[in-house]
Amino acid sequence: DAGVTQSPTHLIKTRGQQVTLRCSPKSGHDTVSWYQQALGQGPQFIFQYYEEEERQRGNFPDRFSGHQFPNYSSELNVNALLLGDSALYLCASSLDRASYEQYFGPGTRLTVT
Amino acid sequence: ELKVEQNPLFLSMQEGKNYTIYCNYSTTSDRLYWYRQDPGKSLESLFVLLSNGAVKQEGRLMASLDTKARLSTLHITAAVHDLSATYFCAVDGANFGNEKLTFGTGTRLTIIP
Repeated sequence: DAGVTQSPTHLIKTRGQQVTLRCSPKSGHDTVSWYQQALGQGPQFIFQYYEEEERQRGNFPDRFSGHQFPNYSSELNVNALLLGDSALYLCASSLDRASYEQYFGPGTRLTVT
Repeated sequence: ELKVEQNPLFLSMQEGKNYTIYCNYSTTSDRLYWYRQDPGKSLESLFVLLSNGAVKQEGRLMASLDTKARLSTLHITAAVHDLSATYFCAVDGANFGNEKLTFGTGTRLTIIP
């Protein structure tokens, strides 16, 4: 049973560019959450998707957007990249509101130069 | 806004010693999570504590939850080098319909032989 998978593993982008990160949830899970973890910090919640809609959002600007597909996989898009967007981006999946546990993927390390 | 504080932020201890990491949170929540993170890696779930007075143990780690005091502890018994990592606690807002996780700043634990 595959766990949460994310791609790519590492990514280097230049300021001003746009990036798309991808996440496939654990089999049977329908809810995907995205977190940003800056170096030396705890993860910060970006947003959560359920039934292809954004259900909750953290304190992140509109440059951060997402999408969930019918197969429950998800994308995180970041426009107009800033140096401060350099971080580990973690995807977590869970089974709707009934589940209390989120399973985290391996993460995508984004470096903005 | 839910806030989660951990202390200490850094902990260096000798093998064989015992120590406790503390996690305080600011608003009512009955769900407290502990994660381990190795450098450059994702989050590994250690414990999920779901009710007041909950205690869980796995190997040399034991976690407890006091919802009245809004305090959780992670106790390390007879530390070994393999336990060196960063430990995060996290709380969700399930009591008020918010499943996002709010993380503490982490405790970087170094076990010295």
